[in-house]
Amino acid sequence: GEDVEQSLFLSVREGDSSVINCTYTDSSSTYLYWYKQEPGAGLQLLTYIFSNMDMKQDQRLTVLLNKKDKHLSLRIADTQTGDSAIYFCAEITIYNQGGKLIFGQGTELSVKP
Amino acid sequence: EAQVTQNPRYLITVTGKKLTVTCSQNMNHEYMSWYRQDPGLGLRQIYYSMNVEVTDKGDVPEGYKVSRKEKRNFPLILESPSPNQTSLYFCASSLAGITDTQYFGPGTRLTVL
Repeated sequence: GEDVEQSLFLSVREGDSSVINCTYTDSSSTYLYWYKQEPGAGLQLLTYIFSNMDMKQDQRLTVLLNKKDKHLSLRIADTQTGDSAIYFCAEITIYNQGGKLIFGQGTELSVKP
Repeated sequence: EAQVTQNPRYLITVTGKKLTVTCSQNMNHEYMSWYRQDPGLGLRQIYYSMNVEVTDKGDVPEGYKVSRKEKRNFPLILESPSPNQTSLYFCASSLAGITDTQYFGPGTRLTVL
């Protein structure tokens, strides 16, 4: 079945770059997403990438997609303490008239001053 | 303000006592869904609804019911809660379907003793 895998923890120093990695299994996924969850809050869409793209940049965020290896990464440049949160990778699986988001386990990013 | 609201935010209950978690959105969205979040498992979809009176099972529907009598509301019902339903629950909505941006509620933390 569909599966999305992420490492559970990442710790970086303020000002460094953070790279959060994700692997997925559904090669037919059309969209891949990164969500951010701050403590006590719901998920907030950070960015997404279409499956026909290799890279997408949005200010401090860079998303890289390697379709051959089914690997997605999120790079946060100049990481700040406010970036401390759990980051979820998700892919869309479409079936019949519906579809669903398959989430990874989430990577907890800790930014140390 | 466009938002998804959930009530209650926190609930402690006992096994077998029926409960309802409400979800409401003010964005005139057609698509709504419920997820549960458990440590190390990410988010898993419980039920979703494509429109009024149209609901369908997600990945983990056992022990849950939903209804969609009005467009804005999508309550989650636990007829006979059990301890394995202790979890963090999120409601989400989107304009028309799974490929549209999902807006998440703040979450409901449920403990079943």
